Amino acid sequence: QVQLKESGPGLVQPSQTLSLTCTVSGFSLTSNSVHWVRQPPGKGLEWVGAIWSGGSTDYNSALKSRLSISRDTSKSQVFLKMNSLQTEDTAIYFCTRLVPGWGQGVMVTVSS
Amino acid sequence: DIQMTQAPSSLPASLGDRVTITCRASQDIGNYLRWFQQKPGKSPRLMIYGATNLAAGVPSRFSGSRSGSDYSLTISSLESEDMADYYCLQSKESPYTFGAGTKLELK
Repeated sequence: QVQLKESGPGLVQPSQTLSLTCTVSGFSLTSNSVHWVRQPPGKGLEWVGAIWSGGSTDYNSALKSRLSISRDTSKSQVFLKMNSLQTEDTAIYFCTRLVPGWGQGVMVTVSS
Repeated sequence: DIQMTQAPSSLPASLGDRVTITCRASQDIGNYLRWFQQKPGKSPRLMIYGATNLAAGVPSRFSGSRSGSDYSLTISSLESEDMADYYCLQSKESPYTFGAGTKLELK
């Protein structure tokens, strides 16, 4: 059974760095890509970035200067790090395979 | 980046109606188009992949089609459980991009 679960701090101060972890089960990271998608309150979905089965990464053009996605295949975990957070980064962050298989999402609020 | 223009943003409809949501791609994306359904407080659910293929467990009243750079999601006979937000996503090339979304609501 495919499962993904996001974890991380619910509150981050402006200008600080966000660190999120996606722990997966039921599939292999070396055979599947994992994507991050975010959704600001009351707004639409935004593709953030992805780590592909071979370990390469791609990022949203507007976020790429602040964003890093990595993984630890031995722990079945994918990591998202985004620096210089602003209030506009307040959103629910999902990890997903973009096929059947989404995490429940983690709400991240950027506020002092 | 490829832009996905989705319309309408809001679609009031009655139960039993046939409804269609459309996304237009700014560049050729072939059939690399997915449709997602999202209900309040829930994670998105894949409905259509490859522009026309029904995902597992999706009712047959849902269908996807393509005409040139225009991609459509059609519900043949609206049911109450279909009231949700719908998003298209192009997965032809990175960065992937979503449409702005369509809110399907009861008239």
